[in-house]
Amino acid sequence: GIQVEQSPPDLILQEGANSTLRCNFSDSVNNLQWFHQNPWGQLINLFYIPSGTKQNGRLSATTVATERYSLLYISSSQTTDSGVYFCAVHRGNTPLVFGKGTRLSVIA
Amino acid sequence: GAVVSQHPSWVICKSGTSVKIECRSLDFQATTMFWYRQFPKQSLMLMATSNEGSKATYEQGVEKDKFLINHASLTLSTLTVTSAHPEDSSFYICSARDLVRTEETQYFGPGTRLLVL
Repeated sequence: GIQVEQSPPDLILQEGANSTLRCNFSDSVNNLQWFHQNPWGQLINLFYIPSGTKQNGRLSATTVATERYSLLYISSSQTTDSGVYFCAVHRGNTPLVFGKGTRLSVIA
Repeated sequence: GAVVSQHPSWVICKSGTSVKIECRSLDFQATTMFWYRQFPKQSLMLMATSNEGSKATYEQGVEKDKFLINHASLTLSTLTVTSAHPEDSSFYICSARDLVRTEETQYFGPGTRLLVL
């Protein structure tokens, strides 16, 4: 099956700093989604981005499908950005396969 | 966006009892739903794919007789943990795709925390 690798596994930022999270995947995919899992466990869908670039406020994402990677950018980080960020992919009718996540801590 | 609900959000039970978790797509129809399990500080692992009107497909290593899945309608799938034991304590999350939408976004419920004593 498809392998999904995320880096870095852990990240500590000072409030206001910018960061880049990376997701590499081992095969071509139909779909790539970025999620933020909040402290209560709810997965918040950030982006559906199988290719190209999207922006939503302080967050943006870019997927280069031909090179099998995606990047999530967080600018001017806030303490509320803390949590775990997951990248997940699928191809065909298969379900999403998740990476191990990046655990982000933003300190004031 | 599409909404997926789960009930209950929390359950504590004694070892040996069975627990049923419901997953509903509230504003869309889902012929396929997915059940994931997440242990503390780990990623989500797919347990099974639930198909409306047919048997579920289980991932390798997941006991189908222990984790019973029923997908009785286009908006409801249930997961029953039978004869639960402490090692079954985990965070269970269901998911569904809205097949009508052009984007193949997968939506997730809020999860159910199970603690088996």
